[in-house]
Amino acid sequence: SQTIHQWPATLVQPVGSPLSLECTVEGTSNPNLYWYRQAAGRGLQLLFYSVGIGQISSEVPQNLSASRPQDRQFILSSKKLLLSDSGFYLCAWSGWPRGGSNEKLFFGSGTQLSVL
Amino acid sequence: AQSVTQLGSHVSVSEGALVLLRCNYSSSVPPYLFWYVQYPNQGLQLLLKYTSAATLVKGINGFEAEFKKSETSFHLTKPSAHMSDAAEYFCAVTSGGFKTIFGAGTRLFVKA
Repeated sequence: SQTIHQWPATLVQPVGSPLSLECTVEGTSNPNLYWYRQAAGRGLQLLFYSVGIGQISSEVPQNLSASRPQDRQFILSSKKLLLSDSGFYLCAWSGWPRGGSNEKLFFGSGTQLSVL
Repeated sequence: AQSVTQLGSHVSVSEGALVLLRCNYSSSVPPYLFWYVQYPNQGLQLLLKYTSAATLVKGINGFEAEFKKSETSFHLTKPSAHMSDAAEYFCAVTSGGFKTIFGAGTRLFVKA
């Protein structure tokens, strides 16, 4: 069966420090990978998605970047964190297009990032 | 462009009462619609999905949702609330491609 791992679970970082959040998927190949951010009371905002190694699409211009160095690894980074980067970050994968446009998302357990 | 509107950021019901969480969508093409649930400090789990096979969709934990094209709605219901249903619920839409758009979420409180 497929599993998704995301770490760390919580992170407290000072403003201006770098960031690296990692997500890996097991039990599937060539998944579509996603980074979402959930700010308090504001739902989920799609940040990046990737359909293959080295292929990154950015949805919102911001202080963050993403990379996909391996098929089942997705990394969210920042060179200098801002206060506004605080939030709950969720990694997800889907099997589209294999399953069609109705393919559901499988989410990791999330990382709570506090920038102080 | 697609969008999702969830009416009510908070809903409170008594245990055993009907749960109704409202979702309206906007899509220029036939949509695929989803409801996800999120328990505190966890990721999201799929409750149910609509993919045009049937307008009334049954999901896990006794939840169901009805797709009404004329009303562009996909409301989530459960006949009898349980304490364990307390969580945040997200409606989502995709119309093909790689993007799933989520609503702002509705937090469900269940009173004993």
